[in-house]
Amino acid sequence: NAGVTQTPKFRILKIGQSMTLQCTQDMNHNYMYWYRQDPGMGLKLIYYSVGAGITDKGEVPNGYNVSRSTTEDFPLRLELAAPSQTSVYFCATGEGNEKLFFGSGTQLSVL
Amino acid sequence: RKEVEQDPGPFNVPEGATVAFNCTYSNSASQSFFWYRQDCRKEPKLLMSVYSSGNEDGRFTAQLNRASQYISLLIRDSKLSDSATYLCVVKRGSNYQLIWGAGTKLIIKP
Repeated sequence: NAGVTQTPKFRILKIGQSMTLQCTQDMNHNYMYWYRQDPGMGLKLIYYSVGAGITDKGEVPNGYNVSRSTTEDFPLRLELAAPSQTSVYFCATGEGNEKLFFGSGTQLSVL
Repeated sequence: RKEVEQDPGPFNVPEGATVAFNCTYSNSASQSFFWYRQDCRKEPKLLMSVYSSGNEDGRFTAQLNRASQYISLLIRDSKLSDSATYLCVVKRGSNYQLIWGAGTKLIIKP
């Protein structure tokens, strides 16, 4: 089992560009999450989904969008990238919201 | 004040020693508590949940003190492989809301 697969692992964007971070899970979990992790800070929840077709905002949703058309996939879209979005992004899944399984992360730099 | 606070460390500890660190939380309505481990440039992984009565998993012991609003993690007979950042996580309410501490960095020295 691959678990949670995130792509790409690294990306450099110019200010104003857009991109999609991909997240796929084969664990058949209903809950999926996108977090960002900045140096010296705890993980911050961007968006989450409790099942296909259902998404909701977390603590820091501005500048991002998500969709959940299938149980497996939960892509995160960055529109008009800004330097403040430089961070490490983690996708996670879980049956509830306690034991989470994370992807390996995407390191994004916006220059 | 952050809702979940941890000493960032690093804690430099000789191999074989016992080390403990705490995590304080400010919201008395917090319901569940967890310790995650994060290796350098890797994803977090669940180490253990923290139960009201305290719990142990091998060399690791977790305690909860609701009166003083902190949880603790104790590592006995520390190994080089225990070097990592330990993240404290608090569940607030019954929905998605997990609040993450910034982590305590532990370095085990030979």
